[in-house]
Amino acid sequence: KAGVTQTPRYLIKTRGQQVTLSCSPISGHRSVSWYQQTPGQGLQFLFEYFSETQRNKGNFPGRFSGRQFSNSRSEMNVSTLELGDSALYLCASSQSYHEQYFGPGTRLTVT
Amino acid sequence: QQQVKQSPQSLIVQKGGISIINCAYENTAFDYFPWYQQFPGKGPALLIAIRPDVSEKKEGRFTISFNKSAKQFSLHIMDSQPGDSATYFCAASKGQTSGSRLTFGEGTQLTVNP
Repeated sequence: KAGVTQTPRYLIKTRGQQVTLSCSPISGHRSVSWYQQTPGQGLQFLFEYFSETQRNKGNFPGRFSGRQFSNSRSEMNVSTLELGDSALYLCASSQSYHEQYFGPGTRLTVT
Repeated sequence: QQQVKQSPQSLIVQKGGISIINCAYENTAFDYFPWYQQFPGKGPALLIAIRPDVSEKKEGRFTISFNKSAKQFSLHIMDSQPGDSATYFCAASKGQTSGSRLTFGEGTQLTVNP
């Protein structure tokens, strides 16, 4: 089976812009979770989608949003980018409630 | 509030030695404890996981030891190899009540010298 894929892999944006990241889960996986990874804060949970519904949400401002499509693919959007949003954004898919498999991530740089 | 604390922050081991990384958690509702391995430029890869109804799980050179009463668990890497040099993260989740949300430790950068 193909693993989790994320596009784009690298992205450079300017402060104030918005960005959309995409994630395709492993075939058959219906849960998609998003995480932010930074050197200072480590790996932090953003939100999880299951069957097109947000099932869980982390402690991030409303500028961070996501959605899931009927084919389980997911997108996350960050509006009004800030310098502190520079991070590696990771998507993970899961078939059950626990085992999560991560994609390679999207490296976002905000200048 | 940090719910999973990991130590040490960095670890240097000689080839063939044993690498030990420790984690402690606070929330007794956690019921699934995975370890992830991350190489530079890659996403975390699921290495091994344990549930609190067992005290130890072994897969190849990797072993998780779990102490429910102390709320601690650890990863042992036997016969450590230079190819094991990576960052290791412990994590925990609560199961069905919280979906697939993982709470991660701070990470341990392991270096295995040849």
